[in-house]
Amino acid sequence: SQTIHQWPATLVQPVGSPLSLECTVEGTSNPNLYWYRQAAGRGLQLLFYSVGIGQISSEVPQNLSASRPQDRQFILSSKKLLLSDSGFYLCAWSRATSGNTIYFGEGSWLTVV
Amino acid sequence: AQRVTQPEKLLSVFKGAPVELKCNYSYSGSPELFWYVQYSRQRLQLLLRHISRESIKGFTADLNKGETSFHLKKPFAQEEDSAMYYCARGETSGSRLTFGEGTQLTVNP
Repeated sequence: SQTIHQWPATLVQPVGSPLSLECTVEGTSNPNLYWYRQAAGRGLQLLFYSVGIGQISSEVPQNLSASRPQDRQFILSSKKLLLSDSGFYLCAWSRATSGNTIYFGEGSWLTVV
Repeated sequence: AQRVTQPEKLLSVFKGAPVELKCNYSYSGSPELFWYVQYSRQRLQLLLRHISRESIKGFTADLNKGETSFHLKKPFAQEEDSAMYYCARGETSGSRLTFGEGTQLTVNP
């Protein structure tokens, strides 16, 4: 069976510090990978998605970046965090070839202080 | 851009009452519609998808192309249905999903 792991679960970072959230998927090959942000009153916002190694599409301009160094690894990064980066970040995956069902990780709470 | 609208951010009903969570989507292409649910302290998970035409945990949702709606319904709400519900649309060609803003459902005893 497939599993998705995301860490850290909780993070408190000062403004201007770097960020790295990591996500890995097991039990499948060549998944589509996603980073979402869940903000109060704004629902689920797609930040990045990837259909393959090194292939990253950004949905919204922002202070964040994403990378996919390996087939089942997806990393969300920032060089300098802003207060507005605080939120709940969700990694997710879907099969590349059979429909749109998305499977989510447990999420990471980021608080920028 | 694709849009999904969930007009109600909060919805509160009593146990045993019918519940309907509204969802409207922008009309274009061949949409595939989903409902996702997030229970307290659990990860976001798929509840149902329109192409399956199934009932999950007593919930059903019918795709109405004329009204571009995909409302989620349950005839008798239970307390354990209290959760955050997201409507989402994708394309049958396999593109990424667009989510609505979510509706927080509270079922009171």
